[in-house]
Amino acid sequence: AQRVTQPEKLLSVFKGAPVELKCNYSYSGSPELFWYVQYSRQRLQLLLRHISRESIKGFTADLNKGETSFHLKKPFAQEEDSAMYYCALSVSGYSTLTFGKGTMLLVSP
Amino acid sequence: DVKVTQSSRYLVKRTGEKVFLECVQDMDHENMFWYRQDPGLGLRLIYFSYDVKMKEKGDIPEGYSVSREKKERFSLILESASTNQTSMYLCASGTVETQYFGPGTRLLVL
Repeated sequence: AQRVTQPEKLLSVFKGAPVELKCNYSYSGSPELFWYVQYSRQRLQLLLRHISRESIKGFTADLNKGETSFHLKKPFAQEEDSAMYYCALSVSGYSTLTFGKGTMLLVSP
Repeated sequence: DVKVTQSSRYLVKRTGEKVFLECVQDMDHENMFWYRQDPGLGLRLIYFSYDVKMKEKGDIPEGYSVSREKKERFSLILESASTNQTSMYLCASGTVETQYFGPGTRLLVL
C-alpha cells in the first residue's frame, strides 16, 4: 500500500529564512502528489499539485521519483506562511488520497 | 465558489449517544469524504461516497456509518459514541485529487 511520510511534526524558522517541508512517499508506480495547507481558523485547502508545476504564494515543489520525494520549498518565509501543511498522494485506480501526518510551520518575526 | 458546510462547529455528547454529523455541498460533486483529524496522526479517512446511496470504507471505519440519500448531503453517524471518538471531523467533496473541505466539527465525547 502507498504511504506518505512527513518526518517533521514542527518546523520553526525566522521570517526571511528559506523553508523546506519534507515529504517522502512509497509507491512503485507513478503517483500524483499534492500539498494541502490549513491556516489558523481556516479550512484545509489545496496549495499545489506536482503536475501543474506552478508556484503558489512563493511555494514550489518538485517531484523527485528517484528519491521518492516531493518537498515543499520557499526561498523567503513570511509570517503568514505559518500553518499546518499536509502532503498527499493519489494513485491511479484508487478513489482516495493518502495524506501524511502533517508538518506545522511556524514563522517567527 | 465551492461551498461545503457542516451542521455544527462544536458538539458535546455523552458516551453511548448516537451522533449525527451532517455535511452539505453545493457543487454537484459526486465524491464526498469524511475524515478525522487528530494531532500527530494527520487526516485519516473514515468513509467516502462516489454516488448517491454508494459508500466505501476508508482506513478507520470502525464505530462509524454513513448515509448518502441525496447527492449534496453526506452524513456521518457514530452509532454509540465513545471517548476515543473525540476529534475534529472534516467533510470534503470534489474529485479525488482536488477536495474542498468544510470548516470541521469538533466533537467532544464525555
